[in-house]
Amino acid sequence: AQKVTQAQTEISVVEKEDVTLDCVYETRDTTYYLFWYKQPPSGELVFLIRRNSFDEQNEISGRYSWNFQKSTSSFNFTITASQVVDSAVYFCALQSNFGNEKLTFGTGTRLTIIP
Amino acid sequence: DTGVSQDPRHKITKRGQNVTFRCDPISEHNRLYWYRQTLGQGPEFLTYFQNEAQLEKSRLLSDRFSAERPKGSFSTLEIQRTEQGDSAMYLCASSQDSLNEQFFGPGTRLTVL
Repeated sequence: AQKVTQAQTEISVVEKEDVTLDCVYETRDTTYYLFWYKQPPSGELVFLIRRNSFDEQNEISGRYSWNFQKSTSSFNFTITASQVVDSAVYFCALQSNFGNEKLTFGTGTRLTIIP
Repeated sequence: DTGVSQDPRHKITKRGQNVTFRCDPISEHNRLYWYRQTLGQGPEFLTYFQNEAQLEKSRLLSDRFSAERPKGSFSTLEIQRTEQGDSAMYLCASSQDSLNEQFFGPGTRLTVL
């Protein structure tokens, strides 16, 4: 069975601080994909990143960076110099290696950036 | 707008009534997914289609739920004899065969009174 755990239910930081959102996953698959989605107050899930289990390189996109560590089954997300527009619920998700099947989501982390 | 669209955005119904939601995927996407999201939780998978074929159904999809994608384009999700526990956000997503990113629509928020 697949499982995604986001232990941080809510996080609040002051604007311009860095913040890391944790994600731990469980799967028996040898190949899988990991995702992060953002859900702003409007409700629509916005795709942020997909990572293949064979690719453990960290990725940086502007103020966003992702740290994938297979040894600890973690895929953490860091926002540098946070902004008020980053306030949202962030979901980590897991997908099996059979391609285009269901996403298994964590329960999400509500991030609030305080101006 | 070439994203995933869903209709209606909000639906309020009385317990016992039937409701139907529609999802229009991104035009070149042949895979379509339905998820349900309750307050404070992540989306939970309900079912998915490849073209017009329904390939997987979750145990969450009781007999009162039925989904169709008759021509491999838009999809409908029907809930019969709604119950208060059906109140949730129903999300639709689509993807291409060769890619794994699922792009989500804005959702239909169902409230059963």
